Amino acid sequence: GAVVSQHPSWVICKSGTSVKIECRSLDFQATTMFWYRQFPKQSLMLMATSNEGSKATYEQGVEKDKFLINHASLTLSTLTVTSAHPEDSSFYICSARDVSRDLNSPLHFGNGTRLTVT
Amino acid sequence: QKEVEQDPGPLSVPEGAIVSLNCTYSNSAFQYFMWYRQYSRKGPELLMYTYSSGNKEDGRFTAQVDKSSKYISLFIRDSQPSDSATYLCAMSDQAGTALIFGKGTTLSVSS
Repeated sequence: GAVVSQHPSWVICKSGTSVKIECRSLDFQATTMFWYRQFPKQSLMLMATSNEGSKATYEQGVEKDKFLINHASLTLSTLTVTSAHPEDSSFYICSARDVSRDLNSPLHFGNGTRLTVT
Repeated sequence: QKEVEQDPGPLSVPEGAIVSLNCTYSNSAFQYFMWYRQYSRKGPELLMYTYSSGNKEDGRFTAQVDKSSKYISLFIRDSQPSDSATYLCAMSDQAGTALIFGKGTTLSVSS
């Protein structure tokens, strides 16, 4: 149980275009999903907290107008990288917690999306 | 000083060895501690989850938390080549909040 699916698993796009990444909780509902970014040999850095039905909360230094987050349902959150640039190339990972379990339950992660901007 | 410090390694051990992985942290409010395993180009997979101080054992894995020293450890007994991966420590101060990760330690177990 507790499967988080991300799509696509990898994407290559040209500079200036936008890319949408989907994060789905397959067998549970999640009121909150977290979006992380991981550069090579670096730690996972929290980008934003996505809340179902409300605006996302962004971490300091993350441009909310560049990284658009939509959490339209209890099983789906999307991250759109707008006007992507080569420096946005990274591994984007989402995570979610089963809303039916207590807050102490751990996060489950998707398999990530590797974005390459050329 | 970063909130969570973790030696990135790489750490290379022979099959069957006992592996010790560690993290230190600065925020004394952290009370939820986790270890994740990450294979190349994959998302993190939860290995161990500990609340507050103490030890927790699951098969070949043992997690230890020493809040007085702000130090957590993961021990892997009888290491296998399939254990070769990057191990990330993660922690948070409140239930339900996002996790703060260490940089990860890359482990290689040779047969």
